[in-house]
Amino acid sequence: AQSVTQLDSQVPVFEEAPVELRCNYSSSVSVYLFWYVQYPNQGLQLLLKYLSGSTLVESINGFEAEFNKSQTSFHLRKPSVHISDTAEYFCAVRLQGAQKLVFGQGTRLTINP
Amino acid sequence: DAGITQSPRHKVTETGTPVTLRCHQTENHRYMYWYRQDPGHGLRLIHYSYGVKDTDKGEVSDGYSVSRSKTEDFLLTLESATSSQTSVYFCAISGGLDLFSGNTIYFGEGSWLTVV
Repeated sequence: AQSVTQLDSQVPVFEEAPVELRCNYSSSVSVYLFWYVQYPNQGLQLLLKYLSGSTLVESINGFEAEFNKSQTSFHLRKPSVHISDTAEYFCAVRLQGAQKLVFGQGTRLTINP
Repeated sequence: DAGITQSPRHKVTETGTPVTLRCHQTENHRYMYWYRQDPGHGLRLIHYSYGVKDTDKGEVSDGYSVSRSKTEDFLLTLESATSSQTSVYFCAISGGLDLFSGNTIYFGEGSWLTVV
């Protein structure tokens, strides 16, 4: 069975600093990879996804993630964060051919002014 | 936003009482899911449905049942609520495996359930 590990439960950074949220997965078959963001008291919104093709995927608000098959990772990065990026971020994996998402434990990103 | 409506959004109930949460979608998507979110656990799948009257268990299905009599509605029932079922419950939908649909699962706004 596949599993997802988000290595940091909380990441505090200063505004305009770069940030990396780490995600590793384990699976014996090919997967699709997702990052979701959850703002306080809201549902989950899709941030970006890797299905196939280019291993670097980007979101509209400046986040990017790179699929690294050899290291089974899908780390999320942003070169300069804003206060509005404060949220919880979830990495998720979906086996190709399967319908279920498996989530990591989440990383709470806190931006300090 | 994906057309997903969860009801009720907030509920407080007593231990031992039955509770039903409703998920309604307007997207005509085939797949529907119920997840629960708890600190330190992320989201965990309770049950999911791949069509009308077709459902299957997830990783934390004990104490929960589901029903799907129409494409647009997916009900989650706690037959006899316990304090360990205090959680935030999310409904989600997906159109399927079509790459053009992005294989994306879309989430509702959540239902906060407290069992006292």
